[in-house]
Amino acid sequence: KQEVTQIPAALSVPEGENLVLNCSFTDSAIYNLQWFRQDPGKGLTSLLLIQSSQREQTSGRLNASLDKSSGRSTLYIAASQPGDSATYLCAGGGSGGSNYKLTFGKGTLLTVNP
Amino acid sequence: EPEVTQTPSHQVTQMGQEVILRCVPISNHLYFYWYRQILGQKVEFLVSFYNNEISEKSEIFDDQFSVERPDGSNFTLKIRSTKLEDSAMYFCASKRTGVEKLFFGSGTQLSVL
Repeated sequence: KQEVTQIPAALSVPEGENLVLNCSFTDSAIYNLQWFRQDPGKGLTSLLLIQSSQREQTSGRLNASLDKSSGRSTLYIAASQPGDSATYLCAGGGSGGSNYKLTFGKGTLLTVNP
Repeated sequence: EPEVTQTPSHQVTQMGQEVILRCVPISNHLYFYWYRQILGQKVEFLVSFYNNEISEKSEIFDDQFSVERPDGSNFTLKIRSTKLEDSAMYFCASKRTGVEKLFFGSGTQLSVL
């Protein structure tokens, strides 16, 4: 059974700092890994999707990496801004093929201070 | 940008009552899901639906739960007899193909009293 863990649970940084959020998963037979952003009381916004055959994906100031052998993924945020404040969730896609279910971590609550 | 729409945003019900949560997935999507998040806990998978049938369901998705795609646009989750522990934010999600990312709606906050 897949278990996903995210550390730290909370992170507070000054504006402009580069930061890394960590995600680990127990089952390396992962179909893909997806990073989401969740604002308070809102839904989940997909940020990046890394297929199991890929090592990383980039979108603007965000870069996500995937290392299946070590069971780890990181989300790197460059030049953080107050608008980046949110909870960041990582989720592993199961090995059941295209109709996989996602197993979520509990998230990292990021606060970027102006 | 197209989005997944969920209604209502909030639903309050009495224990034992039936509730139906409604979702309109993105129009050309083929895979549909329900997830839920109890306050302070992880987002949990409930059920996946493809080609007009359930593909997979979790232990949470017992006989009290059902899903339906009654027409070409709506996707509903029904809870027949709600319990206090069903109180949670329920998210609908969809994707176009197996390899693409999952799009989530903004959720329905269900409160069972």
